[in-house]
Amino acid sequence: EAGVVQSPRYKIIEKKQPVAFWCNPISGHNTLYWYLQNLGQGPELLIRYENEEAVDDSQLPKDRFSAERLKGVDSTLKIQPAELGDSAVYLCASSLGRDGNEQFFGPGTRLTVL
Amino acid sequence: AQSVTQLGSHVSVSEGALVLLRCNYSSSVPPYLFWYVQYPNQGLQLLLKYTSAATLVKGINGFEAEFKKSETSFHLTKPSAHMSDAAEYFCAVSDIYSSASKIIFGSGTRLSIRP
Repeated sequence: EAGVVQSPRYKIIEKKQPVAFWCNPISGHNTLYWYLQNLGQGPELLIRYENEEAVDDSQLPKDRFSAERLKGVDSTLKIQPAELGDSAVYLCASSLGRDGNEQFFGPGTRLTVL
Repeated sequence: AQSVTQLGSHVSVSEGALVLLRCNYSSSVPPYLFWYVQYPNQGLQLLLKYTSAATLVKGINGFEAEFKKSETSFHLTKPSAHMSDAAEYFCAVSDIYSSASKIIFGSGTRLSIRP
């Protein structure tokens, strides 16, 4: 069974440019997460989806970040415009959303903003 | 609010030696606890989890962790380190009352293995 797929794996952009990340969760996983991981830190939740509904976006900087999960499967995270401080790894994870909360992570997208 | 504290951002052990990575948690409700491993340029992989059953939890790759409520700890151990264990390890906490609640990760411990 395929794991969580993310693309691109690496992205280098100049500040003020837009950027988008894509995630395809494990088939059948209703819950999808986007995390931000700064160097030397643990992942921090940006947004959590239950099917197509964003149920927790309290940590998403809504002035520049947006996300969508049309049809409750794939998801896209966008930053517009990007800032230097956005350089980080963006991780996507998915889970069945049942007891125990086991999340399966994708390899992440490493963003570098110049 | 829940949180985890990982003691030691970097741990170095010799190959064959005991691995001990420390994690203390804070939670006002019964917790779920996790250890994840992250190899370079990869996502996180679940090593093991505690979900209020047995307090000694065995995971993959020979790792295990013991839930100690009195000490609010969930330390990760492995009797004999292998070179392939070199990675970043994250302790994480969730809670039993939400079916898919937020997992709070610690800041991680980088494990190095000396030949």
